[in-house]
Amino acid sequence: AQKITQTQPGMFVQEKEAVTLDCTYDTSDPSYGLFWYKQPSSGEMIFLIYQGSYDQQNATEGRYSLNFQKARKSANLVISASQLGDSAMYFCAMREGGANDYKLSFGAGTTVTVRA
Amino acid sequence: EPEVTQTPSHQVTQMGQEVILRCVPISNHLYFYWYRQILGQKVEFLVSFYNNEISEKSEIFDDQFSVERPDGSNFTLKIRSTKLEDSAMYFCASSEFSSGGWETQYFGPGTRLLVL
Repeated sequence: AQKITQTQPGMFVQEKEAVTLDCTYDTSDPSYGLFWYKQPSSGEMIFLIYQGSYDQQNATEGRYSLNFQKARKSANLVISASQLGDSAMYFCAMREGGANDYKLSFGAGTTVTVRA
Repeated sequence: EPEVTQTPSHQVTQMGQEVILRCVPISNHLYFYWYRQILGQKVEFLVSFYNNEISEKSEIFDDQFSVERPDGSNFTLKIRSTKLEDSAMYFCASSEFSSGGWETQYFGPGTRLLVL
């Protein structure tokens, strides 16, 4: 079974508008962390935001916020006031809580294209 | 801001040849990782490394792969006899040690490997 599911292969958004990228996850571990990374066309992976399973508040980081709905096992990324430089692939990833389990499991990604 | 660096940025090799991909993790980080991303696919975990030994590896990381921390700064991935299907972007990542938190993994810019 997929641990991370991103159902939107591609999205278009108008500059200055907000966009929500969906991410659902599957784990039976009560302790886990959820991460979002941005991959521009140049290829590097840039960390954006993190949410821990026990965090009471939704994470925010500048124009990025995470809509964490634990009961629904979703961790959607919201990008507010989109800019042309936000055009990239966005990956949701999860790390589960095992003591020797450090790996990130990634979703398939969502390509965001910001239109002027 | 400290960052993970990787060399080379691109490598072309013949099938059956050995390649070594190099990484310099962030200096105070203690956990190191290799991931790969085949073109158009999701990022996949290969191996994690802590305290001079492998802490976890995926089924992809077979006997053809090895990792090493030859000195205090470098972290290398060796592919002993490359196959066509090893063509991918290889990412190195590193994270701090934390006894209870969720350490963010910071990624390098990647090495794009092409096996002919």
